[in-house]
Amino acid sequence: NAGVTQTPKFRILKIGQSMTLQCAQDMNHNYMYWYRQDPGMGLKLIYYSVGAGITDKGEVPNGYNVSRSTTEDFPLRLELAAPSQTSVYFCASSYPGGDQPQHFGDGTRLSIL
Amino acid sequence: GIQVEQSPPDLILQEGANSTLRCNFSDSVNNLQWFHQNPWGQLINLFYIPSGTKQNGRLSATTVATERYSLLYISSSQTTDSGVYFCAVSMEYGNKLVFGAGTILRVKS
Repeated sequence: NAGVTQTPKFRILKIGQSMTLQCAQDMNHNYMYWYRQDPGMGLKLIYYSVGAGITDKGEVPNGYNVSRSTTEDFPLRLELAAPSQTSVYFCASSYPGGDQPQHFGDGTRLSIL
Repeated sequence: GIQVEQSPPDLILQEGANSTLRCNFSDSVNNLQWFHQNPWGQLINLFYIPSGTKQNGRLSATTVATERYSLLYISSSQTTDSGVYFCAVSMEYGNKLVFGAGTILRVKS
C-alpha cells in the first residue's frame, strides 16, 4: 500500500526555471493538499483540492499553480522559480470532511539557486 | 486566522524520562492532529484528537476543546522519539490544517 507518493525527492533549480512536483495517492481520498515547510518552521498550506476539477488557495499560494484532473493526482507547478521558494514541499490527502486525519507523503526538498 | 502555539519550543530528555508537550489554539476547532517529524523529515500521524483522550503505546494525548488546548504525553522516552512534534488544527470546510511551530525533542541515551 503506497499511500501518498511524491516525486522527485530532491531537486535543484536555477532562478527563473519552472518545474512540476508530482503527488499521487492510492487511498481514494477526495481531499488533497500541498504544504511547504521552511527551515525551523511548521507547515503552511499552499493549495488544496476537495475533488477532481476543484482547487482553492491556501495561506501561501503566490508563485504556484495546481490542477486536479483525477482523484489520484495533484501536481504542483512552480513558474519562474525564486530563492524564496526554497523549501520542503509536502503533499497530503484525506477523506472528505473537516474532521478527517491527513496522510502525508515523504516530501520533496527543493533548492533554488 | 486561528493561532496555534506549542510549548516548550525545545526539550532535552534523558532516556526513560517522561514529558508533556502542550498545544494552545485560539478558536474552536473540528480537527486536531499531532504529528511526529522524524530526523529524516517524514511526517507521521500520531493522533487525530479533536476532543477527549487517546493512547497508543507509550504515547497518549488529551484535548480539552472547551479550554482550547491539547497535551501530548510521552512516557519512558527512547532515543527514537527524537524529532519535532507538531500540533495542527482545522476549523474550516476543506480540512485546511494550521500548524504550530513545533516542539523539538532530543532524547539522550
